[in-house]
Amino acid sequence: EPEVTQTPSHQVTQMGQEVILRCVPISNHLYFYWYRQILGQKVEFLVSFYNNEISEKSEIFDDQFSVERPDGSNFTLKIRSTKLEDSAMYFCASSEIGRGTSGGAGNEQFFGPGTRLTVL
Amino acid sequence: GQQVMQIPQYQHVQEGEDFTTYCNSSTTLSNIQWYKQRPGGHPVFLIQLVKSGEVKKQKRLTFQFGEAKKNSSLHITATQTTDVGTYFCAGRDSWGKLQFGAGTQVVVTP
Repeated sequence: EPEVTQTPSHQVTQMGQEVILRCVPISNHLYFYWYRQILGQKVEFLVSFYNNEISEKSEIFDDQFSVERPDGSNFTLKIRSTKLEDSAMYFCASSEIGRGTSGGAGNEQFFGPGTRLTVL
Repeated sequence: GQQVMQIPQYQHVQEGEDFTTYCNSSTTLSNIQWYKQRPGGHPVFLIQLVKSGEVKKQKRLTFQFGEAKKNSSLHITATQTTDVGTYFCAGRDSWGKLQFGAGTQVVVTP
């Protein structure tokens, strides 16, 4: 069964360093997402991406964050200058279809296993 | 902005018992999705509800979408140890944005 993959599984970095988290969405999916989950807390939406551009972003997704689809398979999240509070599990997700489609199959999001980011 | 609230935050259940978790949105939703996250795992899609008053069942799980499309519930009967995890609802607003609730963490006592 196709699945979303993420690398690395765990990233440790020093405060102020740049990190790039990588995701390979399911191949026929068109919508891609990043979420984060601080330990013990809820899943928080960061950004959605469709047709090579950001379709929506949350208040968390400030200028320190960027996303990119550098080729036909990878989807990356870059944090330019990490802060202690960026420590969290970062989940990538993809869906066949996305916003503007209120129902029907293909709307569900498939999550990757996550990258645990630890900022020291 | 849209707020999605879930209650209870924690649910301790004796194996074999039933329980219900509730999800309430501050705004009308176009649809609602439920996800389950096992300890140490990632959210896994369970189901999507679209129609007002819709009820869907998956074995021992019953999902309901309110008539006003602002609330939803998940009812689990005869809880098993495999039901352990955090259940998140995620409401999609009219703009298409998916907002997750804080989740209900379920602990099952044998």
